[in-house]
Amino acid sequence: KQEVTQIPAALSVPEGENLVLNCSFTDSAIYNLQWFRQDPGKGLTSLLLIQSSQREQTSGRLNASLDKSSGRSTLYIAASQPGDSATYLCAVRPYTGANSKLTFGKGITLSVRP
Amino acid sequence: EAQVTQNPRYLITVTGKKLTVTCSQNMNHEYMSWYRQDPGLGLRQIYYSMNVEVTDKGDVPEGYKVSRKEKRNFPLILESPSPNQTSLYFCASSSPFTGGPRQETQYFGPGTRLLVL
Repeated sequence: KQEVTQIPAALSVPEGENLVLNCSFTDSAIYNLQWFRQDPGKGLTSLLLIQSSQREQTSGRLNASLDKSSGRSTLYIAASQPGDSATYLCAVRPYTGANSKLTFGKGITLSVRP
Repeated sequence: EAQVTQNPRYLITVTGKKLTVTCSQNMNHEYMSWYRQDPGLGLRQIYYSMNVEVTDKGDVPEGYKVSRKEKRNFPLILESPSPNQTSLYFCASSSPFTGGPRQETQYFGPGTRLLVL
């Protein structure tokens, strides 16, 4: 059974810092990995999706990497801003099966201090 | 605008009173799914649907029903809600799983916060 772990559960950094959020998964047979952002009481916004054949994806100040063999992904946020404060979740999708179910980590709650 | 909509956004009800949470997507996606999110447990899948009239159980289906009569709609039905179904519910949709090298972002609705007294 796939398990996704995100440690630490919470992180507080000063504005302007570059930071890395980690995600690990136990079964490397994945189809893709997706990073989401969730603001308090709100829905999930997809940030980046990495296919299993890819190593990284970039969008603006965000860069996500994937090392499937070691079961790890990182989300790099450059020059963090207070507006980046949110919970960041990673989710993996299995390689086999018709169900596109995502298995989620529990998220990292990021606070960027002005 | 591509989106997944859910209604209602907030709902307070009492034990045993049947309710339906609607979900609709405008992206012509075949795949739709329901998740619930609980503190300390994260997001867990309730039911999913691969296409019209094709549904199946996820990880936590007990106490829920779904139907998929139209491609765009995937309502979640609680026949007899109980307090342990108090949660934040999300509907999601995406393109079908093909096994090929396609990017398939899952789009989520804004969530429905349900309180069962």
